[in-house]
Amino acid sequence: ELKVEQNPLFLSMQEGKNYTIYCNYSTTSDRLYWYRQDPGKSLESLFVLLSNGAVKQEGRLMASLDTKARLSTLHITAAVHDLSATYFCAVDIVPGTYKYIFGTGTRLKVLA
Amino acid sequence: DTGVSQDPRHKITKRGQNVTFRCDPISEHNRLYWYRQTLGQGPEFLTYFQNEAQLEKSRLLSDRFSAERPKGSFSTLEIQRTEQGDSAMYLCASSLGGRVGHNPSEAFFGQGTRLTVV
Repeated sequence: ELKVEQNPLFLSMQEGKNYTIYCNYSTTSDRLYWYRQDPGKSLESLFVLLSNGAVKQEGRLMASLDTKARLSTLHITAAVHDLSATYFCAVDIVPGTYKYIFGTGTRLKVLA
Repeated sequence: DTGVSQDPRHKITKRGQNVTFRCDPISEHNRLYWYRQTLGQGPEFLTYFQNEAQLEKSRLLSDRFSAERPKGSFSTLEIQRTEQGDSAMYLCASSLGGRVGHNPSEAFFGQGTRLTVV
């Protein structure tokens, strides 16, 4: 059974600090997606990682993918309060189909 | 707004009643997906369509659930004889896919329909 696990599940951090969220998956997928979800809202696409070694950065967030280790990371640099949200990684059940298996989510709270 | 649109945004219903949700995908997208998200969990795949054809249904989709996409555009998700365990956010997403020469990217999600069964 395909599993996608994130850690930590909860993260409380001070503004200005750095931290990394980890996403491990159990299938041989070369595609991984990161989404952000605010409370009561839908999913906002952050990054699409399409190959081994892919690295993408947007503002204070940087995502990377290591398909051999079946690991993706979402690194937060100098966190600000606006980054408070739940972050999900997702893997295609069948690559390229967008039938996703989502991770458990990481609930991030950035304290002022 | 050219994103994925879902209606209604919120629905409260009594146990045993039937409910129907609608999803309008991004207009040029040929694939449409339904997911369910319960509180504190990630979304779970329910079913997806390519054009009007329903290509796959998750085992999570019991006999009480039915989805249609009759003209390959909007889709409906109906839940019959609702149970309290059906309370969740129902998310619709759409994407391009399955076309020769197409460079796939990702699925885009709607705002969701939050169902509460009392």
